[in-house]
Amino acid sequence: QVHLEQSGTEVKKPGASVKVSCKASGYTFTGYNMHWVRQAPGQGLEWMGRIKPNTGGTIYAQKFQGRVTITTDTAINTVYMELRRLRSDDTAVYYCARVETSYYDSSDYYWTFTFDVWGQGTLVTVSS
Amino acid sequence: DIQMTQSPATMSASIGDRVTITCRASQSISEWLAWFHQKPGKAPKLLISKASTLESGVPSRFSGSGSGTEFTLTINSLQPDDFATYYCQQYDSFPYTFGQGTKLDIK
Repeated sequence: QVHLEQSGTEVKKPGASVKVSCKASGYTFTGYNMHWVRQAPGQGLEWMGRIKPNTGGTIYAQKFQGRVTITTDTAINTVYMELRRLRSDDTAVYYCARVETSYYDSSDYYWTFTFDVWGQGTLVTVSS
Repeated sequence: DIQMTQSPATMSASIGDRVTITCRASQSISEWLAWFHQKPGKAPKLLISKASTLESGVPSRFSGSGSGTEFTLTINSLQPDDFATYYCQQYDSFPYTFGQGTKLDIK
C-alpha cells in the first residue's frame, strides 16, 4: 500500500529553521517525484517545490527561493523540506505529495502528472 | 505564473442535487488540470486528472470537462460525503498553482 508518513508537529520561533520529513513506502521511491505543498490556516494550497529522487534535481517556487531546500535520502526512502528564516506567516500545514515522473510516449506525446498520494500533513507553528 | 480562478467561492446544495464548479486558467494549460477535494483536517484527495480522467475509486457521479482555459467539475446526485472544499490545480508548468477553492456545504 502506497503511503507517505510525515514527521510530527513543530513549534518554532521567528528566524529559526524547520526540517520536515516525508517517508515513502509501498512503491519504487525513485520512480516518482516528490513535491511540497503548504496550507496556511483557513487558506488555500500553495506549491513550494519539487525534488526528483533519482537525480536530486530540484525546482522551487520563486517565493521560497533562498529559504527552502528539499533533499532526499534514497537509502531510507525519505524526502526532507527545510524552511529557514521562519516568519509568522509561515505557520501552515506542510504536505508532501507524490507525482509520477513525466515522459514522452511512443507517439512523442508528453505525459505529465499531478499529486496522486499525499502525506498526512505536518503543522508548523511560528510564534514568539 | 498561471493564475487559476474558481467560481463560486462558496455554494450550498442539498443531497441529490447536481452542482458545477468552474475553473479558469490565465493562459492555456491544454488538459493539464486536476480537481481535488479536501475535508477539514485532512489532506487533499485527487478526484480527476487530465481535465476529465476519473481517478481509480472515485465515484462516477464526479466528472470533469474542458481544455485550454475553461474547465468544469460536475457532481451528480450529491452525497453526504461530497460536502467539502474543492480545488482545481494546473500542472502544465511550474510553479504549479491552485484555484482559491470552492466550499460546498449543505443547504
